[in-house]
This record gives sequence, structure tokens and C-alpha cells, in this order.
Amino acid sequence: KQEVTQIPAALSVPEGENLVLNCSFTDSAIYNLQWFRQDPGKGLTSLLLIQSSQREQTSGRLNASLDKSSGRSTLYIAASQPGDSATYLCAVGRSNYQLIWGAGTKLIIKP
Amino acid sequence: DAGVIQSPRHEVTEMGQEVTLRCKPISGHDYLFWYRQTMMRGLELLIYFNNNVPIDDSGMPEDRFSAKMPNASFSTLKIQPSEPRDSAVYFCASSFGDNTQYFGPGTRLTVL
Repeated sequence: KQEVTQIPAALSVPEGENLVLNCSFTDSAIYNLQWFRQDPGKGLTSLLLIQSSQREQTSGRLNASLDKSSGRSTLYIAASQPGDSATYLCAVGRSNYQLIWGAGTKLIIKP
Repeated sequence: DAGVIQSPRHEVTEMGQEVTLRCKPISGHDYLFWYRQTMMRGLELLIYFNNNVPIDDSGMPEDRFSAKMPNASFSTLKIQPSEPRDSAVYFCASSFGDNTQYFGPGTRLTVL
């Protein structure tokens, strides 16, 4: 059974710092891996999707990496801003439509 | 596009009552997903549809839960009868093929 873990559960850093969020999974046979952002009282917004055959994806200040052999993914946020404050969720694709979710990391960027 | 639309945004009901949650997916999307999010269990996929047909409902917790998609632009998730443990945020999401899923704002359900 695929299990997805995100550590830490919460993270607070000063504005401007670069930071890394971690996601680990137990079964390397994945279809894809996605990182989402959730703001309080709102839905989820997809940030990056990495296909099983890919190693990383980049979008602006965000870079996500995937290492299937070690069962790990990281989300790197460069030059953090207060607007980056949110909960970040990692979701592993068991198939092309079924996602297994981590519990999320709550990120607070202090001005 | 207005994105995925869900209604109501908040629902408070008493145990035993019927609850109906509604979702309008993004036009042109052929997949629709219903999720439930709680503090204890996180996000869980309840059911998903492809071209209005239910494909996998293995996440539906009990027979009290049912979902329909009568057409490409509308889906409902019904709980009858509702119980306090059904209290959660219910999300609807849609996608085109196996691309990114777009989520609605969610319905916060409280069953007293």
C-alpha cells in the first residue's frame, strides 16, 4: 500500500530565504507526482507535475525533483515571499487518475 | 473560465438529514473527482467519473454516500442519512484526460 509522508508538518522561515519541502513515498511504482498548494478556506492549486519518467520540473521560483529509487521528492522555493505562505501537499499518482496524498507542510513566511 | 464551481460553500445540518453537494466542472473536462478532507485522514478520493460514467467508487465510505453525474456539466454527492463523522470539507475537481486536476473551493459540511 502506497504511503506518502511529508516532513516537517510545519515550517516557518524569514522572507527571502530559499527552502526545501520534502515528500517521501513507500512504493516506487508511481505514475506521476504532483505538488499542490492550499490556501485557508480555498481549494487546491496544482503547482508542478512530474511524470514518472522525469527527474524534475520548474516553474518560476519553484523547482520539484523526483527520485523514484529512493522514494523521495523535494519542492524547492527560491527567494521566499509572504505570499508563499500556504499548506503544500504532495500527491503520488497510483494511476493516471488516482492520487495518494500526503498530509501537507504548513509554510509560514515571516516578513 | 470560472473554474470548478461548488455549492453550497458551507452546510450545517443535523444528524439524520439528507445532504446534497453540487459541482459544476470546467467546461470541456472529461474527468470529475470527489474528494473529502479531514484533519484525521487528510485528502481522500471518494469517486471519479469519466464522460459522466462512474469509474471507481471504492473510496465511497458507506452506502449512505452516493454520487451522480447526469450530464457533463453537473454532478452531485449525496449523503443520506448524514452523521457527525461525515463532517469534513468536500472537494470536487475536474481534469481533461490525465492532466492536472483543477479543484473547486470546497463545501464545508458540519453535521450536528
